[in-house]
Amino acid sequence: AQSVSQHNHHVILSEAASLELGCNYSYGGTVNLFWYVQYPGQHLQLLLKYFSGDPLVKGIKGFEAEFIKSKFSFNLRKPSVQWSDTAEYFCAVNARNTGGFKTIFGAGTRLFVKA
Amino acid sequence: GAVVSQHPSRVICKSGTSVKIECRSLDFQATTMFWYRQFPKQSLMLMATSNEGSKATYEQGVEKDKFLINHASLTLSTLTVTSAHPEDSSFYICSARPWGAGGETQYFGPGTRLLVL
Repeated sequence: AQSVSQHNHHVILSEAASLELGCNYSYGGTVNLFWYVQYPGQHLQLLLKYFSGDPLVKGIKGFEAEFIKSKFSFNLRKPSVQWSDTAEYFCAVNARNTGGFKTIFGAGTRLFVKA
Repeated sequence: GAVVSQHPSRVICKSGTSVKIECRSLDFQATTMFWYRQFPKQSLMLMATSNEGSKATYEQGVEKDKFLINHASLTLSTLTVTSAHPEDSSFYICSARPWGAGGETQYFGPGTRLLVL
């Protein structure tokens, strides 16, 4: 079975600072990787996803993530954060398990951006 | 785009009563729906996978008699929390995989906040 680990539970940044949120997974087979964002009071939204091909994927709102297979990592980055990026970010791994595909989420990282 | 709705968005009930939460795919047919639970300040935990026309597959530690799942049509899955207790208070989120889509595709509903008094 797969598992997902997010390194930071809370991150506080000032506007214009660069962001990198760590995500590592454990699973021996082929995986699909996602980053979701949950703004305060709203439901989950997909930021970006990796299925195959170029390991550097670009998502919405200036976010990008890099899949490094050898490190089992899929870190999320943004060069310059804005106050509106304050939200909770979830890394997720989708893989085939007994009974079909299953998505497992990391514990989440709560980002607070100071204006 | 693919839209998933949940009803109700919030529900407060007395301990011992049952609560039904609906998950609907509004503009697509979903052969598979997933039910998650999210405790405050924690991640989403997969509770069960619901396939249209068959029994749901529950994750380890989730009581199937407590959390009844019915997926009677390609656009509707229901989660019934039976004999709810305060510890069942949580945020319940469903997601739906469109018919014909790959196993990696799912769209999330807005969630239902359950408070059991």
